Amino acid sequence: IAGITQAPTSQILAAGRRMTLRCTQDMRHNAMYWYRQDLGLGLRLIHYSNTAGTTGKGEVPDGYSVSRANTDDFPLTLASAVPSQTSVYFCASSDGSGNSPLHFGNGTRLTVT
Amino acid sequence: GQNIDQPTEMTATEGAIVQINCTYQTSGFNGLFWYQQHAGEAPTFLSYNVLDGLEEKGRFSSFLSRSKGYSYLLLKELQMKDSASYLCAAKDSNYQLIWGAGTKLIIKP
Repeated sequence: IAGITQAPTSQILAAGRRMTLRCTQDMRHNAMYWYRQDLGLGLRLIHYSNTAGTTGKGEVPDGYSVSRANTDDFPLTLASAVPSQTSVYFCASSDGSGNSPLHFGNGTRLTVT
Repeated sequence: GQNIDQPTEMTATEGAIVQINCTYQTSGFNGLFWYQQHAGEAPTFLSYNVLDGLEEKGRFSSFLSRSKGYSYLLLKELQMKDSASYLCAAKDSNYQLIWGAGTKLIIKP
């Protein structure tokens, strides 16, 4: 079934540890995104990639990095986790056209202690 | 600044009709999206409007007024499974999505 796969589903992480959230899509979408979702706030864009080999910063990029080595994969890395990074992280993709909707993965629930 | 406003929570009765409003202020405008998100799940696409007017899709309709910076999602013949959060998002001049915090819709029997 075509879609976006995120891993892990959930994780408890000690502060200061490094963590990579994985995201893979099989829809051959050009654009991919990482969002965090916190209670009472809208989805906030962390980083995005309009096409393989390029990345850009979103609204809340500090403490996070991404890479886009190929079309399918878009991992998000927390270099040194802090408690304020406790959140639900969603990866999404689209074909990049103006009216194309986002397709979301099932999310990763991350708790930093 | 850019902003999306929508009510935090609404309650409606099974079988009834509910309208969820969304107002937006963005730098430029390239369309408005509605998504549904059940608790603990990912958002899923419901509708897209870029021109003024009403778009109907079965029990769900979405309306846009660009001059007023206003949209609404209309849900008819409410079912218990419609209990979810509904997210409004507008695309700005750079085609970046600006998201509202979502409206939690509670359906009562």
